[in-house]
Amino acid sequence: ILNVEQSPQSLHVQEGDSTNFTCSFPSSNFYALHWYRWETAKSPEALFVMTLNGDEKKKGRISATLNTKEGYSYLYIKGSQPEDSATYLCAPSDGYSSASKIIFGSGTRLSIRP
Amino acid sequence: SAVISQKPSRDICQRGTSLTIQCQVDSQVTMMFWYRQQPGQSLTLIATANQGSEATYESGFVIDKFPISRPNLTFSTLTVSNMSPEDSSIYLCSVAGTAAYEQYFGPGTRLTVT
Repeated sequence: ILNVEQSPQSLHVQEGDSTNFTCSFPSSNFYALHWYRWETAKSPEALFVMTLNGDEKKKGRISATLNTKEGYSYLYIKGSQPEDSATYLCAPSDGYSSASKIIFGSGTRLSIRP
Repeated sequence: SAVISQKPSRDICQRGTSLTIQCQVDSQVTMMFWYRQQPGQSLTLIATANQGSEATYESGFVIDKFPISRPNLTFSTLTVSNMSPEDSSIYLCSVAGTAAYEQYFGPGTRLTVT
């Protein structure tokens, strides 16, 4: 069973500020790491899937990095906006296919103060 | 991508009763997954449901408590049986996409057991 830890559990950020948070996971038997954004009453939305050590992905103001050797990933949000308020989940896969299980961390709850 | 709907979106149920949650997908998919998130906890996989075969349950989850049906490639149900307050959670279904590592989620069913 994969042990996935996310920190911090919650974060309050002023609008316009940049922020980042961490996901740590076992570095052995790594296949892929997912980042999801989950807004209240909506479906979790896939942000990134990363597979290679040193991977860096970007989507608008959000970016993520991956270090598979030491077992961590960072998610960065530049110039936070109120619509960024959500819970951000990281989740490593236990295999290569879309049918592989993904094991979720407990998430970082981000609140943006206008 | 896949569009997934769930019914009901939320419910308040009495201890000892059962609730069936429906998951409908707008395209045919082979694998569907059921998750739950108890308050303050991670999203946890309950079971994997393939059409035409019995669901595969994760450790800690049993068919008598969470019976699952998968009558066709676009629909599944999860029943939460003999509910107790500990079953108060958000229940989500998800489907495996066609590309590697893709998983799409429904909006969830928020269940409160009194």
